Amino acid sequence: AAGVIQSPRHLIKEKRETATLKCYPIPRHDTVYWYQQGPGQDPQFLISFYEKMQSDKGSIPDRFSAQQFSDYHSELNMSSLELGDSALYFCASSFARGQVEAFFGQGTRLTVV
Amino acid sequence: SQKIEQNSEALNIQEGKTATLTCNYTNYSPAYLQWYRQDPGRGPVFLLLIRENEKEKRKERLKVTFDTTLKQSLFHITASQPADSATYLCALLTGGGNKLTFGTGTQLKVEL
Repeated sequence: AAGVIQSPRHLIKEKRETATLKCYPIPRHDTVYWYQQGPGQDPQFLISFYEKMQSDKGSIPDRFSAQQFSDYHSELNMSSLELGDSALYFCASSFARGQVEAFFGQGTRLTVV
Repeated sequence: SQKIEQNSEALNIQEGKTATLTCNYTNYSPAYLQWYRQDPGRGPVFLLLIRENEKEKRKERLKVTFDTTLKQSLFHITASQPADSATYLCALLTGGGNKLTFGTGTQLKVEL
């Protein structure tokens, strides 16, 4: 069965650079979530989309933005990167009108040097 | 403020015993609560969902209870195995219904 695909798996950027993370949700899922997870921490909710419209926002810095495209894939754009942005970034998708459990991708490990 | 709290200390148990993990929440009125398993460096994996009108849910060796009066869910793994060692997270759908918020997680280690 198709799973949530994230790319790239690993990314190394320098401070003040920009990064773009991509997420391809499971087909027919209508909700996409983005999370940031630092070492030893629980996943922190950043932002979600329902049917391509921004739905809820969490502790997402102003330097970050996200969008969902007509083909339902989503991108998280991160600018003016800081050392503290180094983390695992997960994307998840779900079907809001169904069982609502979220299916997570394998994550993108971002390292800012 | 809204919080979802789990046992902060790691839980070490012997193989074959029952592991019990706790999830407490404040200032939420969730329609349902979910439990996930996360292995190091990997994304959380959905295990079970329990609705507010359900007291208990089972799936193989897993059992979840949900007490909306106490604002608490208990997650049990019976006949635990070393392969059950992982971090277990409870989660609630909050906000406008599209904000899946995780608890602080409990690290479980099952020893031989």
